[in-house]
Amino acid sequence: AQSVSQHNHHVILSEAASLELGCNYSYGGTVNLFWYVQYPGQHLQLLLKYFSGDPLVKGIKGFEAEFIKSKFSFNLRKPSVQWSDTAEYFCAVNQGGKLIFGQGTELSVKP
Amino acid sequence: DAGITQSPRHKVTETGTPVTLRCHQTENHRYMYWYRQDPGHGLRLIHYSYGVKDTDKGEVSDGYSVSRSKTEDFLLTLESATSSQTSVYFCAIRGSGAGEAFFGQGTRLTVV
Repeated sequence: AQSVSQHNHHVILSEAASLELGCNYSYGGTVNLFWYVQYPGQHLQLLLKYFSGDPLVKGIKGFEAEFIKSKFSFNLRKPSVQWSDTAEYFCAVNQGGKLIFGQGTELSVKP
Repeated sequence: DAGITQSPRHKVTETGTPVTLRCHQTENHRYMYWYRQDPGHGLRLIHYSYGVKDTDKGEVSDGYSVSRSKTEDFLLTLESATSSQTSVYFCAIRGSGAGEAFFGQGTRLTVV
């Protein structure tokens, strides 16, 4: 079955620490990949997306992600997190119109 | 924000009653999705639509049905609500190709 896995369920970091959140998917063939963020009490918002071309994608708020096709991975990174990055982060894969999300990773950043 | 609205935003209903949630868009996007969000499970796809009267099942479709008779509206129906369907439901829309999805504000449904 098609699936998206986020291995980190809850990550706790101090401000200025570096962040990497893992995302793996099980699809073959052409996929489009996304990272979304959900701040407390709000709906999901797009952080960044990968369609084709350069596998290193830069998004908003200093986030970036790297697509590694051979590993079926699309990990999210940020060099230095801020307290305002506290939120839940979701990886998503679109294949043929079907948009599937991972379980989410809750990020808590301590001031 | 993208032109997408969900109604109602909150609903409490009794076990065994039918419930319909509505998603309305003004963007003329082809794809529409219904998800449920539960702690520890992330967003799980219930049903999606790729055009008028064209729908398909997602990961957790049992107990739910959908209809899309117009481009702008995508209805999610719980034929006979159960307590396990207590959740937050999100609608999303997406254009053709590789476009991003835009989400509604969510509907908090409680089945008592």
